[in-house]
Amino acid sequence: KAGVTQTPRYLIKTRGQQVTLSCSPISGHRSVSWYQQTPGQGLQFLFEYFSETQRNKGNFPGRFSGRQFSNSRSEMNVSTLELGDSALYLCASSFHRTSGGTGELFFGEGSRLTVL
Amino acid sequence: AQKVTQAQTEISVVEKEDVTLDCVYETRDTTYYLFWYKQPPSGELVFLIRRNSFDEQNEISGRYSWNFQKSTSSFNFTITASQVVDSAVYFCALSEGSLIQGAQKLVFGQGTRLTINP
Repeated sequence: KAGVTQTPRYLIKTRGQQVTLSCSPISGHRSVSWYQQTPGQGLQFLFEYFSETQRNKGNFPGRFSGRQFSNSRSEMNVSTLELGDSALYLCASSFHRTSGGTGELFFGEGSRLTVL
Repeated sequence: AQKVTQAQTEISVVEKEDVTLDCVYETRDTTYYLFWYKQPPSGELVFLIRRNSFDEQNEISGRYSWNFQKSTSSFNFTITASQVVDSAVYFCALSEGSLIQGAQKLVFGQGTRLTINP
């Protein structure tokens, strides 16, 4: 079964631009979450979507947004890019759980964003 | 607030040595979940184990074992007879039970870079 697919894998932008990253979850997975990984701050939760609804959001400015489509694919957008937004952005999908807390997350290889 | 601390930033050992990665967590919830993930150079995080706060039994999976001690808020990971292929960054993570039902959210430690030398 295909894993989590993220596109693009690498991209370079300049300050002030905006960027859209895409994530296709594992077939049958309806929850998609996003994480930012930087050397300084480590892995930080951005947001999670389930059935096209944002279910949880991390402590990031409003420049970071996301959405989920009816086929569970998700996109995240960062507007007005800053140098500090340079990071590896990881998407994870998981099978829907109605109880029992966070389950196993399956991660993609990430989209590495460089802001110049 | 929830927090995960991995005090060991980098560990380097020679192949076949045993190595333990430490993880200490903080949470006010009585129900919570602990995880370990491995991140190879390719970037994706690979799930290793999930533990809930009510299950303090240690677990062994091949050369991997995990020691969960609620009394010290620790969830340590040991690799026995390490191999070069074990070289990676390892992350400990926590998810609180008070999240919206079914919500998936992890708080990660800073990670431990493990290098196994031949």
